[in-house]
Amino acid sequence: DAGVIQSPRHEVTEMGQEVTLRCKPISGHDYLFWYRQTMMRGLELLIYFNNNVPIDDSGMPEDRFSAKMPNASFSTLKIQPSEPRDSAVYFCASSFLGRGMNTEAFFGQGTRLTVV
Amino acid sequence: GDSVTQMEGPVTLSEEAFLTINCTYTATGYPSLFWYVQYPGEGLQLLLKATKADDKGSNKGFEATYRKETTSFHLEKGSVQVSDSAVYFCALSEIQGAQKLVFGQGTRLTINP
Repeated sequence: DAGVIQSPRHEVTEMGQEVTLRCKPISGHDYLFWYRQTMMRGLELLIYFNNNVPIDDSGMPEDRFSAKMPNASFSTLKIQPSEPRDSAVYFCASSFLGRGMNTEAFFGQGTRLTVV
Repeated sequence: GDSVTQMEGPVTLSEEAFLTINCTYTATGYPSLFWYVQYPGEGLQLLLKATKADDKGSNKGFEATYRKETTSFHLEKGSVQVSDSAVYFCALSEIQGAQKLVFGQGTRLTINP
């Protein structure tokens, strides 16, 4: 398996524009997570899905952020409209429930977003 | 809420030195504990983990022991290499079956030859 695949790797956009980040989890994984990494706040969980259903979106900063998982192999994180303070590295991760035990989360390489 | 506190960085050592990166946590239940490593330009990779008190996680010469009495999970390595230069994150996960991770702030480690 190629691992968790995120696209694009880098995105530069102007303030006010819509930005869509994409993630393909590892096949067979039933949990998908979106994290944001900034110098000021470190790594924060934004939202996670289980079997394509959003379970906890309490980390989503505001209504400008939305995430979807239309099927088991694809998820998007959308920011509309984008603002300079959204500049960060966004990571997607996936994992699976194995015999009731916490299993390893596998991370993608991240999308570096710059909003100018 | 749950939280993880790591030793402030950056940390700079010479090759073959002994490494300790301190990590303490606050949690309401009995979390699983993890160390993740992030190499430049890469995503996070699991380095080691421990799921219950007194467990020792180990990988690539790194070790950490789950200490419930001191709520700690310090990372150690006896002899570091230049290739160990990276950012190290301590993390916990409370929810059974889901890797809903709470991360520390990360510690940047640089090893000089």
